[in-house]
Amino acid sequence: AQSVTQLDSQVPVFEEAPVELRCNYSSSVSVYLFWYVQYPNQGLQLLLKYLSGSTLVKGINGFEAEFNKSQTSFHLRKPSVHISDTAEYFCAVRGAQGGSEKLVFGKGTKLTVNP
Amino acid sequence: DAGVTQSPTHLIKTRGQQVTLRCSPKSGHDTVSWYQQALGQGPQFIFQYYEEEERQRGNFPDRFSGHQFPNYSSELNVNALLLGDSALYLCASSLFRPNTGELFFGEGSRLTVL
Repeated sequence: AQSVTQLDSQVPVFEEAPVELRCNYSSSVSVYLFWYVQYPNQGLQLLLKYLSGSTLVKGINGFEAEFNKSQTSFHLRKPSVHISDTAEYFCAVRGAQGGSEKLVFGKGTKLTVNP
Repeated sequence: DAGVTQSPTHLIKTRGQQVTLRCSPKSGHDTVSWYQQALGQGPQFIFQYYEEEERQRGNFPDRFSGHQFPNYSSELNVNALLLGDSALYLCASSLFRPNTGELFFGEGSRLTVL
């Protein structure tokens, strides 16, 4: 079974500042990792994913994340945030083998970008 | 290209009633998963349907049941509603093969149980 811990429930930042949203996971098998974003009253949109290969993954809207197997982390970063990045961000994990279809989500990190 | 569509968007029920939520997957997708997102929480996996069969189920009671139709659309049924069933119900679609775990989510059906 897998689990995800998002270390910060809320992260306030100023516009144009860098941000890092932290995610740690637990799994006894190899994993796929994801970051999703949820704007108010909307569904989830995929930001980026790690399946295999390069540990630095680039996604949409200037976000990137780094898979660190030894630290079981998948932190999300953006060098300069905009007001429009205000949303809730969810880290998710699933087993990489077949038969483990479900995504396990963290509790989310609410990012608030202030002017 | 239509994405994942869900209906209704909002509904209010009372305890003990039954509810049916509907989902049409993204064009070309054949697999539908349902998630429950309680207020302030991440989504939790309910079950997944492929080829009109339930393939995997999360830790939800039998009051939660589903169906997938030949056109890949899906329904989620919840019987004997409890106050704790109030949540946003998200439908997600994907391709069974190749399966990369990438899900496309609808905007959800917000259920309030009074």
